[in-house]
This record gives sequence, C-alpha cells and structure tokens, in this order.
Amino acid sequence: KAGVTQTPRYLIKTRGQQVTLSCSPISGHRSVSWYQQTPGQGLQFLFEYFSETQRNKGNFPGRFSGRQFSNSRSEMNVSTLELGDSALYLCASSLNPSGSPSYNEQFFGPGTRLTVL
Amino acid sequence: AQKITQTQPGMFVQEKEAVTLDCTYDTSDPSYGLFWYKQPSSGEMIFLIYQGSYDQQNATEGRYSLNFQKARKSANLVISASQLGDSAMYFCAILYYGGATNKLIFGTGTLLAVQP
Repeated sequence: KAGVTQTPRYLIKTRGQQVTLSCSPISGHRSVSWYQQTPGQGLQFLFEYFSETQRNKGNFPGRFSGRQFSNSRSEMNVSTLELGDSALYLCASSLNPSGSPSYNEQFFGPGTRLTVL
Repeated sequence: AQKITQTQPGMFVQEKEAVTLDCTYDTSDPSYGLFWYKQPSSGEMIFLIYQGSYDQQNATEGRYSLNFQKARKSANLVISASQLGDSAMYFCAILYYGGATNKLIFGTGTLLAVQP
C-alpha cells in the first residue's frame, strides 16, 4: 500500500507569489491534515479536511487556504507569500473519523520544503 | 487548552544504552491519544508508538516503550539499546478525540544524538 505522497518536495518562490502544495493520502483515508513546521514556531496545525469539508482550521491568516477533492487528495494554497512562510509543510492522513476513542494513527508524508526569497 | 511539554531540547546517549525522552501534557479531556514521532534530518515524520488514554497497559513497539503515567499526565518514551540510526528529533503529540477533528498538538521536540 502506497504511503502519503506530497508534491513537490522542494519549492523556491519569491515574496508576493502564490504557491499550491499537493497531498495524496493513503488509499481509503478520508481525513487529511496539514501542518507547518518552522524552527521558531515548531509544528503547527493548519487545517483538516474530511470528505471534502474543512473541519478545523488553525490560527493562520486567510492567505492560507486548502481544499479536498472527491478522491481525498488535498491541496493547500498560500497567496502573497511572505518570508516567514518559509517552512516544511507536512500533511497527514488517517482512516478513522475524529471523535472515536479508538486508535487513530496519523500517517505523515515526506513534506514539502518551501523557501521564500 | 491542550499542551504538550518536552523539557529536554537535546540529549546524548551512548550506543547500546537505553534513553528516556520526557513528555508531559495538560488536558482536562478524558479521551485522547498520545503519539511519539521520529523526524530524521530528511523531514519525514515517522510514527513510533501510540498510547490511548483508556489503555490499561503501557504500549511497546520493538525497542520503543512508553512509560504512561496518566495521573501525572506524562508519557515518556524509552528507547532500549540505542543505535546510531536513532539520532533524530523526537516529538510527542496529543490527539484529542472529543472534538470533531483530527488535530495533533505537538511538543517542541527533543534532539537525540547517539554516540558510538
């Protein structure tokens, strides 16, 4: 079974540009979450999608947006890039819907490393 | 609000020795899961071990075990027989099951260096 894939793996953009990152979850997984990792702020939750609906959003400006398609693939978009958006962006997929007390492992992809110049 | 604390920014351990990485959490919710992830320099988050709040026994996965003390709200990771390949960042994270979302809250991580 293929793992979570993220494309591209590396990206270099300049300030003011926009960027789209893609995440393909494990087959059968309907939940996709996105995280931003920076040296200063650590790992922070961006948003989660389940069955094409955004279920939760972290404390990020509106420049950060996302969507999920019917095949559960997800994209996140950052508009008007700032230097501080340079980070490793990780996505995670999971099988179970939230609210279940049963084991619900979050499987991570390799990440997309975004550099904003 | 839920919070994860990892008090050890960095640790050294000799190869073949055991090491304990600390993790404490703060939550008033009764239903949650605790995860440990390893992140090598490549960036990928590798799942190591999981402990559910209702689990009676401490979790074990090969060389990894979890010292789960629910009353003290701690979930320390024990790595036995350290190997050079264990050198990486280690993150503790909590997933709250009571909300309508899969949202992991991570600690700040511990950088482990295994010395030959």
